[in-house]
Amino acid sequence: GQQVMQIPQYQHVQEGEDFTTYCNSSTTLSNIQWYKQRPGGHPVFLIQLVKSGEVKKQKRLTFQFGEAKKNSSLHITATQTTDVGTYFCAGMNYGGSQGNLIFGKGTKLSVKP
Amino acid sequence: EAQVTQNPRYLITVTGKKLTVTCSQNMNHEYMSWYRQDPGLGLRQIYYSMNVEVTDKGDVPEGYKVSRKEKRNFPLILESPSPNQTSLYFCASSSSPRWAGGPGTDTQYFGPGTRLTVL
Repeated sequence: GQQVMQIPQYQHVQEGEDFTTYCNSSTTLSNIQWYKQRPGGHPVFLIQLVKSGEVKKQKRLTFQFGEAKKNSSLHITATQTTDVGTYFCAGMNYGGSQGNLIFGKGTKLSVKP
Repeated sequence: EAQVTQNPRYLITVTGKKLTVTCSQNMNHEYMSWYRQDPGLGLRQIYYSMNVEVTDKGDVPEGYKVSRKEKRNFPLILESPSPNQTSLYFCASSSSPRWAGGPGTDTQYFGPGTRLTVL
C-alpha cells in the first residue's frame, strides 16, 4: 500500500536556526497537506499543495511539492519557540480512494531559547 | 464558534464493553473522518465519510464501525474493544474538500481528541 515517509523523526534546534522536514511517497500523490500539532493539542491544517513543483510561503514557512509529486518539504526560517510541535505531512494517492489521507509519522521539533 | 467536538475526552474501559465516541461539527461540513494517533506511528485514518449515508474504510478500520445518519454527527463505535485499541482518537471535518474530489475548501478541522484506554 501507499506509504508516506517523513524525516527526520526529531529535530532539536537553537532559536534562530533553520529547520526542514521532508516527506517522500512511494507513489505519485495527487496533493499533499501539512499540519502542525502542538504538544497536547490537535493537528492544525497549515497548507495544501497540488501542482507539480509548487512552492508556497506563509511568513517564515516555505512549502514545496516536488516535480514528480512524490516528495515535499517544509522549511522554517529562523525558528522561534512558538514553532515547537510536531509537523505532519499527509498525502492522497493519485488515482486512489478520494478522501483516504495517508499521514507521515511526523517530525517533532524542539527549539532551545 | 466553528468547531469540532468529541465526547468523551477521556475514557477508561475494559475489554469487550461496547463504547461510542461521538463527534459533532457545527460548520455544515460534508466530509468527516476518524483518525487514531499512536506513538511512533503518527495519524492513521480509520473511516471517513464524504456525506450523509456515505462512509468508507481508511487504513485501519478493523474493530471499528461508523455511521453518518445526519450531516453534523459521525460517531465511532467500538463493538468489542481490545487493548490494542488504546489510543488517542481524533475526529476531523472539511467542507467538500477539493482533495477529496469536492468543490470546497481544503482546510480540515480537527476535534480536541479522545484518549481511550482499554484494559
